[in-house]
Amino acid sequence: AQTVTQSQPEMSVQEAETVTLSCTYDTSESDYYLFWYKQPPSRQMILVIRQEAYKQQNATENRFSVNFQKAAKSFSLKISDSQLGDAAMYFCAYRKYGGSQGNLIFGKGTKLSVKP
Amino acid sequence: SQTIHQWPATLVQPVGSPLSLECTVEGTSNPNLYWYRQAAGRGLQLLFYSVGIGQISSEVPQNLSASRPQDRQFILSSKKLLLSDSGFYLCAWNWGRGKNIQYFGAGTRLSVL
Repeated sequence: AQTVTQSQPEMSVQEAETVTLSCTYDTSESDYYLFWYKQPPSRQMILVIRQEAYKQQNATENRFSVNFQKAAKSFSLKISDSQLGDAAMYFCAYRKYGGSQGNLIFGKGTKLSVKP
Repeated sequence: SQTIHQWPATLVQPVGSPLSLECTVEGTSNPNLYWYRQAAGRGLQLLFYSVGIGQISSEVPQNLSASRPQDRQFILSSKKLLLSDSGFYLCAWNWGRGKNIQYFGAGTRLSVL
């Protein structure tokens, strides 16, 4: 069975600085998707970034980028120029490729605090 | 554009009472639908998913059930709530085969007392 592990329950970053959140996963599949979701205090889950395992190039969305290391099964999220609005729970998630259903497997999350 | 609605936003129910949480999606047809539960300090756990009307798959045996009476409607129910049913419930959808991003509703915070 696939598992997702986030080893940092909490992280803190100074406003305008850069922070990296870690995620590792375990799967025997060769094709899959990886995601980072953000959950602010409102509890709404918001997609931050997505990575297809068959793509070697790391995904980037504005200030958010990932470091995808397929062999190491590592998928870290880098937030550059951190802003107060980035404070939230961040969840790493895995979805296998293909199939008629596509449920996500989530890590337990990392709580990010941003200090002014 | 597609939107997902989930209600109620908060709910306080006594132990042993019934439960009905509703989720609807607008702007798309034949979506895959999901119910997740998030316990305090934990990640999301998949409870049910549905790939079509009347098609429900359960991931975790429990006190809850789900139904999909219409294409874009997904209902989470219980006949008798337990204390352990407390948590934050999220509905999500995605397009079927070929699409992989899930979009979430705003969630329902359920407190069973």
